[in-house]
Amino acid sequence: AQSVAQPEDQVNVAEGNPLTVKCTYSVSGNPYLFWYVQYPNRGLQFLLKYITGDNLVKGSYGFEAEFNKSQTSFHLKKPSALVSDSALYFCAVREPSGGSYIPTFGRGTSLIVHP
Amino acid sequence: GAVVSQHPSRVICKSGTSVKIECRSLDFQATTMFWYRQFPKQSLMLMATSNEGSKATYEQGVEKDKFLINHASLTLSTLTVTSAHPEDSSFYICSARADTSSGNTIYFGEGSWLTVV
Repeated sequence: AQSVAQPEDQVNVAEGNPLTVKCTYSVSGNPYLFWYVQYPNRGLQFLLKYITGDNLVKGSYGFEAEFNKSQTSFHLKKPSALVSDSALYFCAVREPSGGSYIPTFGRGTSLIVHP
Repeated sequence: GAVVSQHPSRVICKSGTSVKIECRSLDFQATTMFWYRQFPKQSLMLMATSNEGSKATYEQGVEKDKFLINHASLTLSTLTVTSAHPEDSSFYICSARADTSSGNTIYFGEGSWLTVV
């Protein structure tokens, strides 16, 4: 069974500072990993994904994530946070093989960027 | 890029009535769509997988007679909440799977806020 853990319910960071939103996963085999962002009263938006290749994946809005197989982590990062980055962030994982394309989502981490 | 549209974005209905939420893939065909429910400060909960031309697959604990799903075409899936009750009030999100030459990506709709009064 696949699972995702986002250990922090909330992350606070000052504008201009680097940010990290943590995610660890458990899956059989090599994982497909995703990050989504949800702004207030909006649906999820796809940020980035890791399927294979370089461990550092770059996505939308200046975000990037690093796949670490030994630590089973896929932390979301951004070098310089913006107030407009404040939102709810979801990490998701799914197994690459088989007929199911259903991802498992973490609980979400609320990112608050202070001016 | 791929767009998934949900309608309505907000709906208020009376207890006992039924309400339909539409999920459309606007620029790609989606043989598979997913319906999620999100409670405040909770993660998404997968309700069912909607397959074009066949019956939906419901997750354990989700009442199929209450949450009717119809995937009649490759671009449209509908979720009907029947005999709605206040506890059905929630944020419902659909997603659609786009199959491309570079792999599969899932795109989400904007979500629909349902309030049952």
